Amino acid sequence: ETGVTQSPTHLIKTRGQQVTLRCSSQSGHNTVSWYQQALGQGPQFIFQYYREEENGRGNFPPRFSGLQFPNYSSELNVNALELDDSALYLCASSIGGGSGTQHFGDGTRLSIL
Amino acid sequence: DQQVKQNSPSLSVQEGRISILNCDYTNSMFDYFLWYKKYPAEGPTFLISISSIKDKNEDGRFTVFLNKSAKHLSLHIVPSQPGDSAVYFCAASPISSGSARQLTFGSGTQLTVLP
Repeated sequence: ETGVTQSPTHLIKTRGQQVTLRCSSQSGHNTVSWYQQALGQGPQFIFQYYREEENGRGNFPPRFSGLQFPNYSSELNVNALELDDSALYLCASSIGGGSGTQHFGDGTRLSIL
Repeated sequence: DQQVKQNSPSLSVQEGRISILNCDYTNSMFDYFLWYKKYPAEGPTFLISISSIKDKNEDGRFTVFLNKSAKHLSLHIVPSQPGDSAVYFCAASPISSGSARQLTFGSGTQLTVLP
């Protein structure tokens, strides 16, 4: 059984740029949730995608957007990057719109210079 | 406004003894609680969960206790092993999130099990 995979592992960007992070869900999982984990803090919910539509959103501005594809993989896009966007971005997959247990990937470490 | 709090940033325990990690929450709408373990450079790994209709759930060496009146839950690890050394996150999910199980995490507790 293939687990949740995220790419890239690390990424360095500058302020104002745009970034796309990718996530492949665990086999059999149809729901993807994205979280931001700043240093020394717990993960913070960004949004969730179920059946290719946004299915819940946390307290993040519109410059954070996402997509889910028919194979249930997902992308997180962040526009107009700010220094505070430096964080570990975690993707979690689950079954049934998130009612199942969420299983996490190893994350993408994003650094903004 | 931290809705899920883990007030102990770190905990050290001797191998073979019990580890007790604590978590408090403020949102009365939370109905489902989970514990995740995280090693460096890896994503969080699900450990154990508990629904608000229960006050205890056990899985091998891990037991989670829920005290709804005190809005408090704890994770007990018995016996503790050096491989248990990791950051432990408490997470909670509200009834109102509907189908989207939006998890709210605490800030984590670094557990170190000494050989």
